Amino acid sequence: GAVVSQHPSWVICKSGTSVKIECRSLDFQATTMFWYRQFPKQSLMLMATSNEGSKATYEQGVEKDKFLINHASLTLSTLTVTSAHPEDSSFYICSAWDRGPYGYTFGSGTRLTVV
Amino acid sequence: GQQLNQSPQSMFIQEGEDVSMNCTSSSIFNTWLWYKQDPGEGPVLLIALYKAGELTSNGRLTAQFGITRKDSFLNISASIPSDVGIYFCAGRGSKGSSNTGKLIFGQGTTLQVKP
Repeated sequence: GAVVSQHPSWVICKSGTSVKIECRSLDFQATTMFWYRQFPKQSLMLMATSNEGSKATYEQGVEKDKFLINHASLTLSTLTVTSAHPEDSSFYICSAWDRGPYGYTFGSGTRLTVV
Repeated sequence: GQQLNQSPQSMFIQEGEDVSMNCTSSSIFNTWLWYKQDPGEGPVLLIALYKAGELTSNGRLTAQFGITRKDSFLNISASIPSDVGIYFCAGRGSKGSSNTGKLIFGQGTTLQVKP
């Protein structure tokens, strides 16, 4: 079956620093990748949609200069949280979409804690 | 961002009981998906529905895609302790809608099963 690898699974960083999260589709090519943020006891909120080789499309209210998304290949997308602040602490989850039988496959998430 | 209306928010049931949860939306979706999320993990797909009226089963789970394409339900029969977790519905936007290709999540239903 389809597997999406997300790294790191957790990260603690100091306020003001940047953190990069990677999302890789291991056995299929993902036309589109999605990035979600989930606060405790809440649902997944879509942050942005990225297509390989083009600029990401951000949802309303999501700062594109703060959450940099790069989708350089059909198997890798990265989310960089720049100048992180404690309010950016959250669970970030990526999802890769395949036109074939796999549909949407989610990564295992990254727990970001900004101190 | 947009969310689907999922209910109930939480359920606490006795082992062996049946469970039902549902999602509604003001928008039409062309795909309905049901996921289960364990703490600290990404969501795992349980059932996918692609046609209005479709009724699909996966073991003790049964889900239906509403005729109006604006709702879906998930039933779990004869619940067991390992059914504990958070269940999310998700809808994929129809072509031409503002949510084309995006997966929008419900608020989640937290299920607790008493042995």
